[in-house]
Amino acid sequence: DAGITQSPRHKVTETGTPVTLRCHQTENHRYMYWYRQDPGHGLRLIHYSYGVKDTDKGEVSDGYSVSRSKTEDFLLTLESATSSQTSVYFCAISVEGVGTQYFGPGTRLLVL
Amino acid sequence: SQQGEEDPQALSIQEGENATMNCSYKTSINNLQWYRQNSGRGLVHLILIRSNEREKHSGRLRVTLDTSKKSSSLLITASRAADTASYFCATDGAEGAQKLVFGQGTRLTINP
Repeated sequence: DAGITQSPRHKVTETGTPVTLRCHQTENHRYMYWYRQDPGHGLRLIHYSYGVKDTDKGEVSDGYSVSRSKTEDFLLTLESATSSQTSVYFCAISVEGVGTQYFGPGTRLLVL
Repeated sequence: SQQGEEDPQALSIQEGENATMNCSYKTSINNLQWYRQNSGRGLVHLILIRSNEREKHSGRLRVTLDTSKKSSSLLITASRAADTASYFCATDGAEGAQKLVFGQGTRLTINP
């Protein structure tokens, strides 16, 4: 599993509240990613990071922000959660050069 | 928009039979990868094929790549119940090997 953990693993929250999901890796990989997975849409990239404090938007970045102050941690924040953000969120790291990605176990988020 | 599109969306076969899944993509690639996802878990990397390769094997997996048709296939031989999972293709492209685009997946069910 490339030493990737996500927390929390499950979360229920209310519309309008802020939510932060954490991804932690133990192998000092430079590239980290946040995806969401929804039925009928597969896996869609939200944001990714290519180093400490270096981040970029993905396909579905609206409503999400990220931060990476340390190599090992990549945080995803929903500033004001909406029901459309109910999803399963996966963090991944990438082996530089080859591009193979290794995924965390996922976080199930329900926004009521 | 999705770069890779899998076909079929769902496949159900008997244990011991072979399973074939197809992936089509739209733009030029450097690599194409296949991933497996067991229910409720993160994606697991299976195999990577480079654009200059036509076929690659790994155990019971055989992947082909036809860059002229922008398509790939994943063959699982002698299927087992444990192969029941969703299978995704992922392609890189203009934005480089570190940024993948995933298809919507094929749901494979192996019946005992």
